Amino acid sequence: NAGVTQTPKFRILKIGQSMTLQCAQDMNHNYMYWYRQDPGMGLKLIYYSVGAGITDKGEVPNGYNVSRSTTEDFPLRLELAAPSQTSVYFCASSYWGQGRGDTQYFGPGTRLTVL
Amino acid sequence: KNQVEQSPQSLIILEGKNCTLQCNYTVSPFSNLRWYKQDTGRGPVSLTIMTFSENTKSNGRYTATLDADTKQSSLHITASQLSDSASYICVVITVQTGANNLFFGTGTRLTVIP
Repeated sequence: NAGVTQTPKFRILKIGQSMTLQCAQDMNHNYMYWYRQDPGMGLKLIYYSVGAGITDKGEVPNGYNVSRSTTEDFPLRLELAAPSQTSVYFCASSYWGQGRGDTQYFGPGTRLTVL
Repeated sequence: KNQVEQSPQSLIILEGKNCTLQCNYTVSPFSNLRWYKQDTGRGPVSLTIMTFSENTKSNGRYTATLDADTKQSSLHITASQLSDSASYICVVITVQTGANNLFFGTGTRLTVIP
């Protein structure tokens, strides 16, 4: 299994541009998550999905959109990029929700800089 | 307010020495607590998961402890190796439904030097 894969690894955007961060998992996991990690801060949940066609907001959803048309893929869309969105973005997945003690698997991250 | 605090922020130790990292939390109601290892430029990797009834769990040279009464956890690393250099993140999960129930600490940055 490849686990959780993310593309691209790095990206520089200009203010106002848009882009999609790709995330895919091949473990048949129900749950998928998007986090951002700012320097010196804990991971913050942006959006999550409990299955294909079902998504919900996390702690910091503003400026982002997601979709989950298949079990495997969970892309994160940034519209009108702002410098405040400069961060490292991690996608993660798990079979069950975290309240059941299930292991969460993380992708390698995408480092995004907005100038 | 649900919070997870880790100490120290950073730590430098000699290869072969032991060390202990601390995690204090105010998250309630408690479901489980995890420790993750995050290498530079990589995603976090799970080390241990402990529920309310577990007070010790080991994974090789890593041993996590949990005191649910005092809301404290520690991660002890034995006979450190250069590859242990990483950030160690404590995550506490509540019993709420959905995924808005994970609370991440800011991590302890461990550097092991030869």
